[in-house]
Amino acid sequence: KQEVTQIPAALSVPEGENLVLNCSFTDSAIYNLQWFRQDPGKGLTSLLLIQSSQREQTSGRLNASLDKSSGRSTLYIAASQPGDSATYLCAVEGNAGNMLTFGGGTRLMVKP
Amino acid sequence: DTAVSQTPKYLVTQMGNDKSIKCEQNLGHDTMYWYKQDSKKFLKIMFSYNNKELIINETVPNRFSPKSPDKAHLNLHINSLELGDSAVYFCASSQWGRGAFFGQGTRLTVV
Repeated sequence: KQEVTQIPAALSVPEGENLVLNCSFTDSAIYNLQWFRQDPGKGLTSLLLIQSSQREQTSGRLNASLDKSSGRSTLYIAASQPGDSATYLCAVEGNAGNMLTFGGGTRLMVKP
Repeated sequence: DTAVSQTPKYLVTQMGNDKSIKCEQNLGHDTMYWYKQDSKKFLKIMFSYNNKELIINETVPNRFSPKSPDKAHLNLHINSLELGDSAVYFCASSQWGRGAFFGQGTRLTVV
């Protein structure tokens, strides 16, 4: 059964720092990996989707990498801003394509 | 235009009542899901439907009954609500390989 772990669980950084969020999964037979952002009391917003054949995806200040063989993904946030404060979730879709398995999230606080 | 919309956004009800949450997606996706987010913010799959057929039922009490009248809709009916059912319920849809899109969530509070 797929298990997804995110480290750290919480992170507090000053504005302007570059930071890395980590995601690991136990079963490398995935179809894709998706990073989401969740603001308090809100739904999930998709940030980046990486197909299993891809190594990375970029969107603005965000860059996500995927190493399927080692079961790892990282989300790199450049020049962090207070508006980046949120919970970041990674999720993997198995090859059957029937569900996403989520990690527990990383709660990020960027201080002005 | 909201891609995945669910109603209501908030639901407060007494123990023992029956309630429904509705979900609609206008993305043309084949697969729809219900997820539960508990008080620790962990998201867990409840049901997965593909083209109106139940694919996954993850050890959810049979008080929870999903219904998919067509590919664009997946409703969740809950019978005999219990205090432990209080959570945020998210509907989502996906098309294989294209990523998932989530609704804004329904915060259910059972008192």
